[in-house]
Amino acid sequence: KNQVEQSPQSLIILEGKNCTLQCNYTVSPFSNLRWYKQDTGRGPVSLTIMTFSENTKSNGRYTATLDADTKQSSLHITASQLSDSASYICVVRGNRDDKIIFGKGTRLHILP
Amino acid sequence: EAGVAQSPRYKIIEKRQSVAFWCNPISGHATLYWYQQILGQGPKLLIQFQNNGVVDDSQLPKDRFSAERLKGVDSTLKIQPAKLEDSAVYLCASSPRTDRDEQYFGPGTRLTVT
Repeated sequence: KNQVEQSPQSLIILEGKNCTLQCNYTVSPFSNLRWYKQDTGRGPVSLTIMTFSENTKSNGRYTATLDADTKQSSLHITASQLSDSASYICVVRGNRDDKIIFGKGTRLHILP
Repeated sequence: EAGVAQSPRYKIIEKRQSVAFWCNPISGHATLYWYQQILGQGPKLLIQFQNNGVVDDSQLPKDRFSAERLKGVDSTLKIQPAKLEDSAVYLCASSPRTDRDEQYFGPGTRLTVT
């Protein structure tokens, strides 16, 4: 069964600190992996997308990595800001049937 | 470029009542999705349209949920009758052409069934 597992479920850090969110998936064959940011009361917004051949992608203070061999991805946030408080959702698209599998997300809280 | 529009933003109904949600995708986007997002979970696909045809409705509870996309533009999602477990945020998303494009999400409709 195709699954996307994210950890931790929630995370609290102080403003200015770095953090890393994890995503493990079993989707195979694999087309692409996206990280979305979802602010409270809003729809998800795409941060990064990576295909099978890419192992890192940056978007400002957000850097996503992908290890297609171990089927793991991470999202690293540098110098966190209060506006980074949100849910971060890992989404994997299968290559065979184009199914989109969403993780449950990691809820990140940034404290001043 | 205007984003995906949804209405209403909030809705409170009693169980067994009916409710309808509306979505206006980004102009020109061929693919439209409806998702159900229960608190603390990721979105779950309910139905996917390509223009005005259904591509995937395998997880749509068809005994109570229905959706249509007339003329391949706007879409409505209806629940009739609603149950307590239908309380969730209903997200609409659209993408330009094929399944491999980025999905652009609307703000969602928060439904509370009492």
